[in-house]
Amino acid sequence: GAGVSQSPSNKVTEKGKDVELRCDPISGHTALYWYRQSLGQGLEFLIYFQGNSAPDKSGLPSDRFSAERTGGSVSTLTIQRTQQEDSAVYLCASSSTSTNRGTGGYTFGSGTRLTVV
Amino acid sequence: EDQVTQSPEALRLQEGESSSLNCSYTVSGLRGLFWYRQDPGKGPEFLFTLYSAGEEKEKERLKATLTKKESFLHITAPKPEDSATYLCAAVNTDKLIFGTGTRLQVFP
Repeated sequence: GAGVSQSPSNKVTEKGKDVELRCDPISGHTALYWYRQSLGQGLEFLIYFQGNSAPDKSGLPSDRFSAERTGGSVSTLTIQRTQQEDSAVYLCASSSTSTNRGTGGYTFGSGTRLTVV
Repeated sequence: EDQVTQSPEALRLQEGESSSLNCSYTVSGLRGLFWYRQDPGKGPEFLFTLYSAGEEKEKERLKATLTKKESFLHITAPKPEDSATYLCAAVNTDKLIFGTGTRLQVFP
């Protein structure tokens, strides 16, 4: 597609429920990133995919968070047993190359605003 | 620990009043320094990438510069439409490390 698409744009869920957030990157972009942005905070790295594999999962805050990517394209971020502190905007970005070469810009989606009540 | 710090947190300018935003970084294996603009409810929008000390890039009223320890985003004669949060990010081996941003407001 023309840009990075994320869905849903807004999600309100009850504490303890599971949620799935979806990211559809730019076609052909091999690298995909998930970030979390809490109110008044900077973007916090969660996980990075190169193709379907995740070389860096170091930012996932707990084992309640998981992500997968299939077909080198769409990625899903799953949060199990949501807690109020999970409330944030979850942003996805894709790039045509891994940052190992430090080239190019990353294109971000508009994010999913998650509210846990 | 890799870290990116931005200052000031917020900046209010009169239209036409030039200023600079600062981004200090301590990142091992720096591969590039990125500047983004973020409007409310939107994802960050790519502005510039800088790769080596001494490099400068310009786009309209914005100019980004890079030294070995910091980057500056200079805004010349800003307009109200330049109001946004400006994010700086450093790239190490595999990910962007973001600062917390500078929220810029430009008043007519």
